[in-house]
Amino acid sequence: DIQMTQSPSSLSASVGDRVTITCRASQSISTYLNWYQQKPGKAPKLLIYAASSLQSGVPSRFSGSGSGTDFTLSITSLQPEDFATYYCQQSYSTPTFGQGTRLEIK
Amino acid sequence: EVQLVQSGAEVKKPGESLKISCKGSGYSFTNYWIGWVRQMPGKGLEWMGIIYPGDSDTRYSPSFQGQVTMSADTSISTAYLQWSSLKASDTAMYYCARKAAAAGLDYWGQGTLVTVSS
Repeated sequence: DIQMTQSPSSLSASVGDRVTITCRASQSISTYLNWYQQKPGKAPKLLIYAASSLQSGVPSRFSGSGSGTDFTLSITSLQPEDFATYYCQQSYSTPTFGQGTRLEIK
Repeated sequence: EVQLVQSGAEVKKPGESLKISCKGSGYSFTNYWIGWVRQMPGKGLEWMGIIYPGDSDTRYSPSFQGQVTMSADTSISTAYLQWSSLKASDTAMYYCARKAAAAGLDYWGQGTLVTVSS
């Protein structure tokens, strides 16, 4: 299995801040990397696919980058509705998820 | 509008069998893979496997191979996840999701909570 490691595991930030979440794969996955947002009691929502493509309907303050083993999800100008848990997922081989990053209000 | 609607919450005893469902609408059900994802209480997302309803091609995560069975009935646009003998450790929320052509899971069901307790 390809292991996905996110950092940090949790993060405190304020409305208006810019935050970056990192995801590292245990081997190269090209750009087969997706990012999801999950709010408590809700299903995950696809934000970014193929490392850097914004899913339809997702605000442009979300962006993704990276290739190979290192990837980032950036959120500029945090909004109250962005406080949630974020997961990366590789789809290069049998899919695996990162452990999640909980983004909390400071 | 694309929708995946899952069956309701279940409470079962260890050793019992269970089949939960995921009904797709608003798109061609036979042309998209349906994946299943487990989320244990307070934990992260785990990939269980995926099925292509068009030909029932199924690929299980090694962690779930032999533990569950995925199937689909194209006549009613419904995918299924079933257990033959539940364990307490199967207690979790189970999500189905459609796999987009670009590989992300673009539409999700609302989840089915399975509780296994004696």
